[in-house]
This record gives sequence, structure tokens and C-alpha cells, in this order.
Amino acid sequence: QQKVQQSPESLIVPEGGMASLNCTSSDRNVDYFWWYRQHSGKSPKMLMSIFSNGEKEEGRFTVHLNKASLHTSLHIRDSQPSDSALYLCAADPSGSWQLIFGSGTQLTVMP
Amino acid sequence: ETAVFQTPNYHVTQVGNEVSFNCKQTLGHDTMYWYKQDSKKLLKIMFSYNNKQLIVNETVPRRFSPQSSDKAHLNLRIKSVEPEDSAVYLCASSFWGGDAEQFFGPGTRLTVL
Repeated sequence: QQKVQQSPESLIVPEGGMASLNCTSSDRNVDYFWWYRQHSGKSPKMLMSIFSNGEKEEGRFTVHLNKASLHTSLHIRDSQPSDSALYLCAADPSGSWQLIFGSGTQLTVMP
Repeated sequence: ETAVFQTPNYHVTQVGNEVSFNCKQTLGHDTMYWYKQDSKKLLKIMFSYNNKQLIVNETVPRRFSPQSSDKAHLNLRIKSVEPEDSAVYLCASSFWGGDAEQFFGPGTRLTVL
């Protein structure tokens, strides 16, 4: 069964620092990768998506995708305490009806 | 307000009881989903419902069943709950397609005693 692996499991960065999160799919037929953010006690909300090889930047957030290695990464610069949350990576295999979520990276930004 | 709404927020019940959770979306989407998020925060798809087509994750026990009256509503019924059913159940909606963002409801936390 297709899996999405995320690393690290948890990450602590100082306020103003850079956070780097990784995600790899075991399914070679993935067309789309998604990053969702879930604050404690809340529901997941889509943060960024990437469908093509390369890089995409939105404000302090940058996502990279290497389709050959099925690896995506999320980078948060100038991290803020409000960025503390569970970050979930999801992959959408081609022709599939479902999103496959990884187990998440728990990010803590220390003031 | 356009969003995904779920009721109840919390539900506590005993083993063997039947429970139902409601979900409504006002985003105009054509596809709705139910997810289970366990205590380790792992999010797993249970069902997808699109245009009267139901797709079931084969790992979901048969005591779980989705119920839909129209494309804006997808309820979840659990017959004879088990302790391992304790989790947060999240409803989501989107337009059909892998490139469509899914919007999640606030979730229903189920505790089975």
C-alpha cells in the first residue's frame, strides 16, 4: 500500500529561524503533493500545494518538489510562534480517489 | 458563511451503542469525505462520496456506513461502536479531482467507554 513518509517527527526551532520539513511518497504515480497545517485542537487547513518539479514560494513559505525522487520539502523562514502546529504532507496518486496523508511533523517555534 | 459544518463537537458513548455524526458543506463542492484521525494524529480516509458514487476504503470495518441525502450532506453512522473507534472524525469537501483543495470541518471527537 502506498505510503507517505514525513521527517522529522518533531522539530523545535527558535523564533526567527528556518524550519525544514520533508516528505516522500512510495508511489511513483503521484501527481500532486499537498501540505496541510493543523493547529492544536483545530482541523487541517491547506497551506501549499505543488504539482510540478521545482519550487514555489508564498510569503515565508517555500515548497520544493523533485518528482524523480518523489520528494517534497516545506521550508518556513523567519518562523513565528504562531507557526507551531502539526504539518501534514499528502499525496494524490494518479487516478486515485483519495489523499494519502503522512503522519506529520510537529513543529514548535520557541519565543 | 461558506464552510464545512459538523455536529456534534463531542460524543461520549458506551461499547455497542449506535452513533451518527452529521456533516454539511456550503461551499458548492461535489465531493465529500470522511476521515478518522487517531490519537497519534494519523489521518486516514474512510469514504469518498461524489455524485452518488460511494468509494469505501477497504480497511474500514463494516459497522461504519456513510449516508447522503444530497451533495451537500454526508453523515456517518457507526453501528455497535468499539473502543478502537475513539478518535476524531473529520468531514471534508472539495471539487472532484486530485488537484482540488480539500476543506475540513472542525471534527467530531468520539469517546467510547
